[in-house]
Amino acid sequence: KAGVTQTPRYLIKTRGQQVTLSCSPISGHRSVSWYQQTPGQGLQFLFEYFSETQRNKGNFPGRFSGRQFSNSRSEMNVSTLELGDSALYLCASSSWSPRDTDTQYFGPGTRLTVL
Amino acid sequence: KQEVTQIPAALSVPEGENLVLNCSFTDSAIYNLQWFRQDPGKGLTSLLLIQSSQREQTSGRLNASLDKSSGRSTLYIAASQPGDSATYLCAAILSNFGNEKLTFGTGTRLTIIP
Repeated sequence: KAGVTQTPRYLIKTRGQQVTLSCSPISGHRSVSWYQQTPGQGLQFLFEYFSETQRNKGNFPGRFSGRQFSNSRSEMNVSTLELGDSALYLCASSSWSPRDTDTQYFGPGTRLTVL
Repeated sequence: KQEVTQIPAALSVPEGENLVLNCSFTDSAIYNLQWFRQDPGKGLTSLLLIQSSQREQTSGRLNASLDKSSGRSTLYIAASQPGDSATYLCAAILSNFGNEKLTFGTGTRLTIIP
């Protein structure tokens, strides 16, 4: 069974631009969560989608948004990029909501660099 | 504020030794706790998941325990190998009035010395 895939793997943008990252969960998984990882803040939760609905959201500004499609694939968008948005963005999928004690499986991440 | 803490931030041990990594969390109302490893520049690999009703889980040379009353979890690695070198992260889903999410510790960077 294929794992979680994320595209693109690397991205370089300039301040003020916007970016869209994509995540394809493991087949059959309905929950997709997004995380931001930086050296200073560690891994922080962005949001979780389950069956096309946002079920949970972390403490990030409205510039960060996401959505989930009927096939469970998910995208996240960051508008008006700032230097501080440079990070590794990780996507994770699970069968149900992570709260339902199910293992989360992570993708390799998208490395975003904002210049 | 709900927090997950890992100490130490870095650990070096000779190959073959047994070792313990520590994780503490602030809320005993925990749904589950998961241990991951992360290799440099890579995503996270799930190692063990302990549900709130469980005390420990084992997989090969790894054993994870959960003590809700003290707010602690440990990851025991037996007979360490150079391939175990990585950053180990614990993450807990803590009760938060329907807004539960996976909260990560800052990780322990483990180096196994051949």
